[in-house]
Amino acid sequence: AQKITQTQPGMFVQEKEAVTLDCTYDTSDPSYGLFWYKQPSSGEMIFLIYQGSYDQQNATEGRYSLNFQKARKSANLVISASQLGDSAMYFCAMREPQGGSEKLVFGKGTKLTVNP
Amino acid sequence: NAGVMQNPRHLVRRRGQEARLRCSPMKGHSHVYWYRQLPEEGLKFMVYLQKENIIDESGMPKERFSAEFPKEGPSILRIQQVVRGDSAAYFCASSPSMGLQAKNIQYFGAGTRLSVL
Repeated sequence: AQKITQTQPGMFVQEKEAVTLDCTYDTSDPSYGLFWYKQPSSGEMIFLIYQGSYDQQNATEGRYSLNFQKARKSANLVISASQLGDSAMYFCAMREPQGGSEKLVFGKGTKLTVNP
Repeated sequence: NAGVMQNPRHLVRRRGQEARLRCSPMKGHSHVYWYRQLPEEGLKFMVYLQKENIIDESGMPKERFSAEFPKEGPSILRIQQVVRGDSAAYFCASSPSMGLQAKNIQYFGAGTRLSVL
């Protein structure tokens, strides 16, 4: 069963507008961490934002915020005031502390295109 | 403060040759992870190491692949007798500590693109 689901293969947004990238996850463990990474066309993976399962508030990092809905098991990324440089692949990932492993499980990603 | 350093950035090998991918973690990080990314896919976990120890290798193919993180020097992912299906981007990540309480963010290198001819 897929643990991380990103249902939007591609998204388009106008510059300066906000966009939401969807992510749902599946786990029975009460302790887990959720991450978003950005992969521009140059290929590197850039950490954006983290949400712990016990965190009381939604995470925010500059123009990035995470809409964490625990009961729905969703962790959507919201990018405000989109910029042309935001065009990239975006990956949602989850970490479960199973047996001491810290591995991340990634979704298939969403390709975001910001139009001028 | 240098980030995670991977080299080479691009590696071309012929079938049957060996590929060695290197990863130097961020300063102060003692945990290293290797992931593989096939075209149009997300990253898939391969192996998690601490200094001189393999903690989790559940994502590593049983044959031809090995990884190490010696006491001194970078972590090495070694692929013996490469085949065309090994062509992929290999990413290394490092983190400072374990546990959700510590967030334990994994920071990634720029990756090594392996092409097998």
